[in-house]
Amino acid sequence: EVQVVESGGGLVQPGGSLRLSCAASGFTFSSFWMSWVRQAPGKGLEWVANMKQDGSEKYYVDSVKGRFTISRDNAKNSLYLQMNSLRAEDTAVYYCASEMGGLRYWGQGSLVTVSS
Amino acid sequence: AIQMTQSPSSLAASVGDRVTITCRASQGIRNDVGWYQQKPGKAPKLLIYPASTLQSGVPSRFSGSGSGTDFTLTISSLQPEDSAAYYCLQDYDYPWTFGQGTKVEI
Repeated sequence: EVQVVESGGGLVQPGGSLRLSCAASGFTFSSFWMSWVRQAPGKGLEWVANMKQDGSEKYYVDSVKGRFTISRDNAKNSLYLQMNSLRAEDTAVYYCASEMGGLRYWGQGSLVTVSS
Repeated sequence: AIQMTQSPSSLAASVGDRVTITCRASQGIRNDVGWYQQKPGKAPKLLIYPASTLQSGVPSRFSGSGSGTDFTLTISSLQPEDSAAYYCLQDYDYPWTFGQGTKVEI
């Protein structure tokens, strides 16, 4: 059974940092690109970043470039999102998803709230 | 960035109705589009990718069509469990972009 589980969300002050983790199982994690997608409260979906299987390629939406860093550890079947210089507009549920011809498997999401 | 203009933003329909949702890309994107269903409080679910290929386990009342700039998601006979938000996503070029979403009420 495929499982994707995000963790690490919480309340952080503006300008602060947070690291999200995504643990995957039930599929060959190291064989697939992985993405982060977020959804602000009551809003639509926004693709944030993705990473190639071996980490050699990474892409970001402009609004997070220079502040967020995506990484992965294939030995641990895990994906990460280091978020620095957080802003109120980064408040959202962050989803991790596998790319298997579309975003096939999703986690349940991790809520990040940026507020003083 | 490629813009995906999705319409309508919401609709209300009855059980058994045929429902059509469209996405228009700001430039040609071949058939590199997926359609996602999201129910309240849940993660999105992949319905169709690319453009017209139904994913395993998705009811056959869902279908997708289009290529280039214009794409359509059709629900041929709306069911109560189809009440949800629907999004298109282009993965032709970075940054990937979603449509604004369509809320379907029954």
